[in-house]
Amino acid sequence: IAGITQAPTSQILAAGRRMTLRCTQDMRHNAMYWYRQDLGLGLRLIHYSNTAGTTGKGEVPDGYSVSRANTDDFPLTLASAVPSQTSVYFCASSRGTQGDEQFFGPGTRLTVL
Amino acid sequence: GQNIDQPTEMTATEGAIVQINCTYQTSGFNGLFWYQQHAGEAPTFLSYNVLDGLEEKGRFSSFLSRSKGYSYLLLKELQMKDSASYLCAAMDSNYQLIWGAGTKLIIKP
Repeated sequence: IAGITQAPTSQILAAGRRMTLRCTQDMRHNAMYWYRQDLGLGLRLIHYSNTAGTTGKGEVPDGYSVSRANTDDFPLTLASAVPSQTSVYFCASSRGTQGDEQFFGPGTRLTVL
Repeated sequence: GQNIDQPTEMTATEGAIVQINCTYQTSGFNGLFWYQQHAGEAPTFLSYNVLDGLEEKGRFSSFLSRSKGYSYLLLKELQMKDSASYLCAAMDSNYQLIWGAGTKLIIKP
């Protein structure tokens, strides 16, 4: 693994189903983030983790949950998907939280029908 | 509230110079980032300014005025590969990034 990876690349999901988006980084970064990107809108922060074992809510956390059991992995779970969660989801990581650049994964394109 | 404003789209000619402006209003301020995003790809880091002034990095420069809540990204000697969206993001008092919707830059030969 080099950098930050996400899986799956894309997914079509029926409304009401549970889905976990995976994110793994091998840079030993402390902080990790989940964003969604919708046409015409800026990236919006869903959840973040400043260090392993801690998580926090971003701007649009409703309907999503995260965990950070170790440094490398930061999965995002949709407990019961709804069509408004159709979006491109980006995972990102940074060495620290104060002015460090964020490195982004390739994204997951999720469609909820 | 927190807000980032940048133009939706700009067009420029190959070899020319273009300036993309960004104004921000955030609860506290801990710096201004610019990212480049090609269609269908992830954003990649271009620059970070926390102090007033101009930072130059090759063909790209970024300027910040904290008193005016204003930044710009200057791209020189434009190449076709510079066709992309350019994202402005301000870091607030909680060290979270507030993102603009992006400026789509179209380069014409």
